[in-house]
Amino acid sequence: GAGVSQSPRYKVAKRGQDVALRCDPISGHVSLFWYQQALGQGPEFLTYFQNEAQLDKSGLPSDRFFAERPEGSVSTLKIQRTQQEDSAVYLCASSLGQANQETQYFGPGTRLLVL
Amino acid sequence: GESVGLHLPTLSVQEGDNSIINCAYSNSASDYFIWYKQESGKGPQFIIDIRSNMDKRQGQRVTVLLNKTVKHLSLQIAATQPGDSAVYFCAENRYGGSQGNLIFGKGTKLSVKP
Repeated sequence: GAGVSQSPRYKVAKRGQDVALRCDPISGHVSLFWYQQALGQGPEFLTYFQNEAQLDKSGLPSDRFFAERPEGSVSTLKIQRTQQEDSAVYLCASSLGQANQETQYFGPGTRLLVL
Repeated sequence: GESVGLHLPTLSVQEGDNSIINCAYSNSASDYFIWYKQESGKGPQFIIDIRSNMDKRQGQRVTVLLNKTVKHLSLQIAATQPGDSAVYFCAENRYGGSQGNLIFGKGTKLSVKP
């Protein structure tokens, strides 16, 4: 079956531009996570949704980062006024239920380069 | 601070040999551990997981060992193949923690020589 998909796969932005990154989770998955992965590092948690509710946004690095999942399926991560330090791979993951200890399935990521 | 880390940043093995990738964690409250494989340009791929009420779990060619006494986790890959070449991450999760978000280590790069 279809896995988690993300678009675009690559994004080049000029410093100061706004970007929007899309995640299509596995159909029927309740939980959705966004992670940021810097080069040579492990993914770091950004935010978590259970259906349409954003239950945890403690990992968002600044108020320039905003995420939404209005209908409980597709999610968008928006970064306003991008900075060079925002350059990273942004990963989306989904899991079937709402409990902890459920397998998270990752998408291929969006590689963002801010010039 | 509390973190998941790895002992070896790189590991090179001969095809057909067994590989062992190690991971240390510092939070005794962690109760769920996962190994992911990440190939270049791809997202992390689930390999195997283990809960804290177990000390060993086996999958296809992979075994995860958990030693809670010394807060150590390892991934064993039997008969390593060139397709196993990737970066391997351990991750932890805490039941009742922040809604299930995973805490990843820095990763170990596994290179398999033919």
